[in-house]
Amino acid sequence: GENVEQHPSTLSVQEGDSAVIKCTYSDSASNYFPWYKQELGKGPQLIIDIRSNVGEKKDQRIAVTLNKTAKHFSLHITETQPEDSAVYFCAASVRGGGADGLTFGKGTHLIIQP
Amino acid sequence: KAGVTQTPRYLIKTRGQQVTLSCSPISGHRSVSWYQQTPGQGLQFLFEYFSETQRNKGNFPGRFSGRQFSNSRSEMNVSTLELGDSALYLCASSPTTSGSEAFFGQGTRLTVV
Repeated sequence: GENVEQHPSTLSVQEGDSAVIKCTYSDSASNYFPWYKQELGKGPQLIIDIRSNVGEKKDQRIAVTLNKTAKHFSLHITETQPEDSAVYFCAASVRGGGADGLTFGKGTHLIIQP
Repeated sequence: KAGVTQTPRYLIKTRGQQVTLSCSPISGHRSVSWYQQTPGQGLQFLFEYFSETQRNKGNFPGRFSGRQFSNSRSEMNVSTLELGDSALYLCASSPTTSGSEAFFGQGTRLTVV
C-alpha cells in the first residue's frame, strides 16, 4: 500500500520568514495530494490540494509543488504569521479526491516564533 | 452552511464495552469517511460510505464497523473495546467519492479505561 513520509516533524521559524514542509510517497498511482492544518482541539482543515496533472498551485501565502518523477511534494508558506502555528499533514490518494482512502504523513508541528 | 458535526465530543468507556459514534456530513455531501488519529500511528483510514454502501475499508479489525443512513448521516461502532482504541475519531465528508474536496469534523475523543 501507499506510504507517505513527512519531514521535518517539528519546524520553528521566525515570524515573517518562510516555512517548507516536504513529503514523499511510494505509490506511483497516487494522483491527489491534499494538505491539512490541524489546530489544538480541532479537526484537520484542508488548506490546499494538488492533483497529479499539475506541478504547482498557489493560494495567497501558501503554495504546493509536486514532482511526480521523484514522488515528492512540498508545502511552502511565505510571510509566516502567528496564526500559522499548528500541525500540518500531507496526504496522498489514488482516488483523485475526497477523503476516501487518504494516506497521511505523520505531521509537522510548525512553530512561529514572534 | 453547517460543517461536519460529530457527537459526542468526548467519551470514556471501559474495556470490553462497545461504543457508537455519530457523524452528520455537510448538507448535500454523500460520501463519509472515518479516520482514527493517535499520537503513535497518526491518521489512519477506517472506512468510507457512499449512498449507504461501504465502498472502501482500511486495515482495522472487524470490531470496527460502520453504517450510513439514507440522509447520509453515518455511525461507527467499536465493539469489545481495548485500551489501544483510545484515540480521536474523525469523520470527513465530501460531495462524491473522488475528485472533490473533503472536510473534517472536530472529532470524538474516545478514552478506554
